[in-house]
Amino acid sequence: GAGVSQSPSNKVTEKGKDVELRCDPISGHTALYWYRQSLGQGLEFLIYFQGNSAPDKSGLPSDRFSAERTGGSVSTLTIQRTQQEDSAVYLCASSTTSGSLNEQFFGPGTRLTVL
Amino acid sequence: AQSVTQPDIHITVSEGASLELRCNYSYGATPYLFWYVQSPGQGLQLLLKYFSGDTLVQGIKGFEAEFKRSQSSFNLRKPSVHWSDAAEYFCAVDQAGTALIFGKGTTLSVSS
Repeated sequence: GAGVSQSPSNKVTEKGKDVELRCDPISGHTALYWYRQSLGQGLEFLIYFQGNSAPDKSGLPSDRFSAERTGGSVSTLTIQRTQQEDSAVYLCASSTTSGSLNEQFFGPGTRLTVL
Repeated sequence: AQSVTQPDIHITVSEGASLELRCNYSYGATPYLFWYVQSPGQGLQLLLKYFSGDTLVQGIKGFEAEFKRSQSSFNLRKPSVHWSDAAEYFCAVDQAGTALIFGKGTTLSVSS
């Protein structure tokens, strides 16, 4: 079946603009995660959704970052007033449910470049 | 707070030689540990995971890892490296049953 898909694959934007990154999880997966991969920082957790529960936003670096998940499926990560330090690869993952016993399947990522 | 350390940023191994990638973790309870691989331009793929029980776990592509509680380590090994193993490898620990905390990764190069 189809894996996790993300769009766009690449996004170049100017400093100060808003961007939206999209994630389509594997069908039937109730848990969805966003991570950021940047040079020197490795992979950082951003936000996590599980079913209809309130998301865990503990990893969001600032209030410029937000995410939503509509209908328990597709998720959008929004970065407002982008800064150059936001340049990174943003990875989405999904799993059948929360908890480490369930493997997280990762998408190919969206490479964001802020000029 | 939980953390993961991968001491080696970059390792070069000859094709056919053995490989060991180091991972140390900091975690208060029994950890859930993972190794992922990321090939150029690809997403992360799970190689293996440890939850409990046998300390030596087998994964895909001929990889294995050994959990050593006394050393807080979870090193990844492969007896004979293939050129296709060149990639970036990430060790990760579970964060209280939700998201993963990753190490900064080790880039593996394979020389012929």
